Amino acid sequence: EPEVTQTPSHQVTQMGQEVILRCVPISNHLYFYWYRQILGQKVEFLVSFYNNEISEKSEIFDDQFSVERPDGSNFTLKIRSTKLEDSAMYFCASSEQGLRSNQPQHFGDGTRLSIL
Amino acid sequence: KNEVEQSPQNLTAQEGEFITINCSYSVGISALHWLQQHPGGGIVSLFMLSSGKKKHGRLIATINIQEKHSSLHITASHPRDSAVYICAATRRNNNDMRFGAGTRLTVKP
Repeated sequence: EPEVTQTPSHQVTQMGQEVILRCVPISNHLYFYWYRQILGQKVEFLVSFYNNEISEKSEIFDDQFSVERPDGSNFTLKIRSTKLEDSAMYFCASSEQGLRSNQPQHFGDGTRLSIL
Repeated sequence: KNEVEQSPQNLTAQEGEFITINCSYSVGISALHWLQQHPGGGIVSLFMLSSGKKKHGRLIATINIQEKHSSLHITASHPRDSAVYICAATRRNNNDMRFGAGTRLTVKP
């Protein structure tokens, strides 16, 4: 069964450095998402992406965050100048149709980001 | 106040028991999601509902739009059902999701 893959599984970065988290969505999916989960807390929506542009973003997704689909397969989340509070598990997901449809999202296994 | 509330926070059951997890939401929604998060952290989408009831194997999800309430039921629970179950809502006027805090289910053999 096709799956969403995320790399790396664990990223350790010094505070203030830029980090790029990578995701390969399922190939025929058109909608892409990033979520984060701070340790011990609930999952939070960051951003949705469709047709090469952001379709929705949360209040968390400020100017230090950006997303890109640099080629036909990768979907990336960049954090420009990391802070300690960016430490979290970041999940990528994709779906054939948008969040209002009856099509489920498929999640990657997540990237654990640790900021030192 | 959280827009999506789940209860209970933690639930321990004996194998074979019928399990119910509840979710209430305060926002207008276009879809309600039930997700399962495994001990290793991976997330699986179980159901998306906008009305009525859905069933998949031993899992049943229901939603009452008027009462803004959804339930996830597990029949004949098994230790492999042990996980965190998360309710999430797609907000009607946005295309984002609001998540509940999750219910940690432990099924003992």
